[in-house]
Parts: sequence; structure tokens; C-alpha cells
Amino acid sequence: QVQLQESGPGLVQPSETLSLTCTVSGGSVSYGSYYWTWIRQPPGKGLEWIGYIYYSGGTNYNPSLKSRVTMSVDTSKNQFSLKLSSVTAADTAVYYCARDPYPGTGGHWFDPWGQGILVTVSS
Amino acid sequence: DIVMTQSPDSLAVSLGERATLNCKSSQSVLYSSNNKNYLAWYQQKPGQPPKLLIYWTSTRESGVPDRFSGSGSGTDFTLTISSLQAEDVAVYYCQQYYSTPFTFGPGTKVDIK
Repeated sequence: QVQLQESGPGLVQPSETLSLTCTVSGGSVSYGSYYWTWIRQPPGKGLEWIGYIYYSGGTNYNPSLKSRVTMSVDTSKNQFSLKLSSVTAADTAVYYCARDPYPGTGGHWFDPWGQGILVTVSS
Repeated sequence: DIVMTQSPDSLAVSLGERATLNCKSSQSVLYSSNNKNYLAWYQQKPGQPPKLLIYWTSTRESGVPDRFSGSGSGTDFTLTISSLQAEDVAVYYCQQYYSTPFTFGPGTKVDIK
């Protein structure tokens, strides 16, 4: 079955750019029946949807983060990526990548999820 | 944005007993053209990512035990665990996908009494 795995730095300096990659195995990011999504969870808190990207490059971002978020997809590496600029301590969170089946189902739920990566913003 | 609230914040239920978790949306997530409620439920155990349990309010994801059931419509929804098992100890989140940004409730923590 498809599996997702996040990777990237666990520590980012304030005002810098957070960069994460999600590698998909057991399936293809080019499969047109899915969107590819980022979600974050501050320590001990709830879940926040960051946005999604389609294999064609189309995106939809959470307006609360839109000015700082860029997502991209690399079909040759079967990966998709997240960049979040001008980070502050408030961006410290576990970042998850997940699959969204909307193109094939009409619904935006998330399954499966990667294990998550804790990114701490601190000097 | 659609704001999701959940109640109670936490509950403790005896093994084998029923657990009832509530979720409320700040506006209806029922899409009239297809009569579907755009709501999902997830289970998150400590140190793990959330796991999809239910979508379209009441459709169980493949492999999810049938002791988990979802119901509701419009703005009020319920996740029921009919007979609580030890492995069900977790935080449960509801999520609306009626409109972007997709939003989650704050979660309900379920423990064993």
C-alpha cells in the first residue's frame, strides 16, 4: 500500500524558510485520483490544514498561511514539497504529509498520513 | 472559516461500554445537491499520526472495526464506539471538508475508566 515519509531539517532559525519533502512509495504522485497535502500539529495542540498540490502543479493553500507557503511536486522523484517562509516560534509543529482522494471521490479526507516530522523554530 | 467544536474535551469509559463523542460545525456541512455531509473522523494515538476512521459522516474506512460508527447531519455529528476496547484509547478529531480551509475540531480524549 502507499506510504508517505517526511524529511527535512528539524531545526529552523527564526525568519528563515522551512523546507520539507514528502516521499511517496507504493504509489505515484502522478496518479490523477489524488491531491497531496500538508497538515501541521503544534506540540500538544490540534491539527491545521496547510494546503494541497496536484500532480499538475495546481495548488490550494490555507489563507492564513498563503502569503508564506509554496508547494511543489517532483514527479520524477515521486515527491512533493513544502516551503514556509519567514518562520517564527508559532510555526513549531509536527508537519505531516497525507493523501487526499478528492479527484476520485469528491471528498477531501486524509489517508494515509506520513509519520510526521517535528520542526522547531529557534535560534 | 468553518469552526469545528467537540465535546466533551475528554471522557473515561469502562471497557466494553459505549463512548459517545460529539462534533459541531459553525455552519452546515450538508451539500444539498448530493445530500452528503462533508465530515470525517480520525483517531490519533500518542506518538502516531492521525488515522482515518470515517468519511461522509458514516462510511467506515476499510479495516476499521464496526464498533466505530458515525452519524449526524447539518451541523451536529456523533462518533460512537459501541464497546470500548483498550486499544481505542486515543484522541479523536472531526474534520469538515465542505469548504476550504478544511478545519478540524480540537479533539476529544478517550480513556479507560
